[in-house]
Amino acid sequence: GIQVEQSPPDLILQEGANSTLRCNFSDSVNNLQWFHQNPWGQLINLFYIPSGTKQNGRLSATTVATERYSLLYISSSQTTDSGVYFCAVMIKAAGNKLTFGGGTRVLVKP
Amino acid sequence: DAGVIQSPRHEVTEMGQEVTLRCKPISGHDYLFWYRQTMMRGLELLIYFNNNVPIDDSGMPEDRFSAKMPNASFSTLKIQPSEPRDSAVYFCASSFGGLVGEAFFGQGTRLTVV
Repeated sequence: GIQVEQSPPDLILQEGANSTLRCNFSDSVNNLQWFHQNPWGQLINLFYIPSGTKQNGRLSATTVATERYSLLYISSSQTTDSGVYFCAVMIKAAGNKLTFGGGTRVLVKP
Repeated sequence: DAGVIQSPRHEVTEMGQEVTLRCKPISGHDYLFWYRQTMMRGLELLIYFNNNVPIDDSGMPEDRFSAKMPNASFSTLKIQPSEPRDSAVYFCASSFGGLVGEAFFGQGTRLTVV
């Protein structure tokens, strides 16, 4: 089956620090999304990025589809960035199933 | 659009009771997904619909679970009878265009079976 692996599993940051989260996947993707699950459990869409680079404020993401990985960059982290970050992929061979990685739990300390 | 709307937000029920979770997808979206989130298994897909038709229910854990989509604006996930191991957060999501569509999630229903 599809493998989606995220690293690191946990990350503790001091407010203001930068960080990089990684997502590796086992097959060519048609769809890749990054989500932030906030402390209230809500899944917030960050990026829809099957390939290329996008930026939204302090967050940016890059997907290198040919090498089967995606990176999420958090710059100048804030306490509100705390939560779990999920990568999810959709692979044509597996049907229209958005398969999630295990997530990276981020804690930003003031 | 108000986004994907799920109800109830929280549900506490006794073992053996029937539970019905509800979802209203984003208007115009043609795909609807039901996910379950637990600490042990993470986010797992239970079933998805395309144009109100169930396409893949291979993730439904057992016959106690059933899902319907009677029209484009409403879906239900039913558990009968419920068991304590069904306790989880259940998410509904919708998208347009299938493989190339961005999926949006509802706020989830936290189910506790005692």
